[in-house]
Amino acid sequence: KQEVTQIPAALSVPEGENLVLNCSFTDSAIYNLQWFRQDPGKGLTSLLLIQSSQREQTSGRLNASLDKSSGRSTLYIAASQPGDSATYLCAVEETSGSRLTFGEGTQLTVNP
Amino acid sequence: DAGVIQSPRHEVTEMGQEVTLRCKPISGHNSLFWYRQTMMRGLELLIYFNNNVPIDDSGMPEDRFSAKMPNASFSTLKIQPSEPRDSAVYFCASSLYGTSRNQPQHFGDGTRLSIL
Repeated sequence: KQEVTQIPAALSVPEGENLVLNCSFTDSAIYNLQWFRQDPGKGLTSLLLIQSSQREQTSGRLNASLDKSSGRSTLYIAASQPGDSATYLCAVEETSGSRLTFGEGTQLTVNP
Repeated sequence: DAGVIQSPRHEVTEMGQEVTLRCKPISGHNSLFWYRQTMMRGLELLIYFNNNVPIDDSGMPEDRFSAKMPNASFSTLKIQPSEPRDSAVYFCASSLYGTSRNQPQHFGDGTRLSIL
C-alpha cells in the first residue's frame, strides 16, 4: 500500500526566504506526482505535476523535483511572500486516471 | 472556464437523516473522484469513476455510503443514515485521462458536512 509522508508538518519563515518542502513515498511505481496548495476553507489548487519520466517542473517561483528511485520529491519556493501562506500537499498517482494518495501536508506561514 | 462545482457548500443535519452531496465536473473530463478530508485521517479517496463507470469504491466506509454518476456532467454522493462520525469536508475532483499527457486533478471547493 502506497504511503506518502511530508516533512515538516509546519513551517514558519520570514518573507523573502527560500524554502524547501519535502515529500516521500514508499512505492516508486508511480505515474506522476502532484503538488497542491490548499487555502483555509477552500479546495485544492494544482501547482505542479511531474511525470514519472521527468525529474523536475517549474512554474514561476516554484520548482518541484522528483527522484523516483529514492521515493522523494521536493518543492522549492523562491523569495517567499505572505501570499504563499497555505497548506501544501503532495500526492502520487499510480496509474493514469486513478486515485491520488496524499501526504498529510505542510502548513506554511510566511511572515511579513 | 467553470471549475468543478459542488453543492451544497455547507450542510448541517441531524443524525439519521439522509444527506446528498452533488458534483458537476469540468466539461470534457472523463474521470471523477470523491474524497473526504478530516483532521485525523487527512484526504482519503472514497470512490472514483472513469467514463461514468465506478472503478474503485474500496474507500467507501460502509454500506451507508453510495455514489452514482448517471451522466458525464453529474455525480452524487449519498449517506443514509448519517452519523456524527461522517462529519468532514467532502471534495469532488475531475480530470482527463487516457491521453498521452498527464493531467492534474481539479478540485471543487468542497462540502463541509456536520452531523449533529
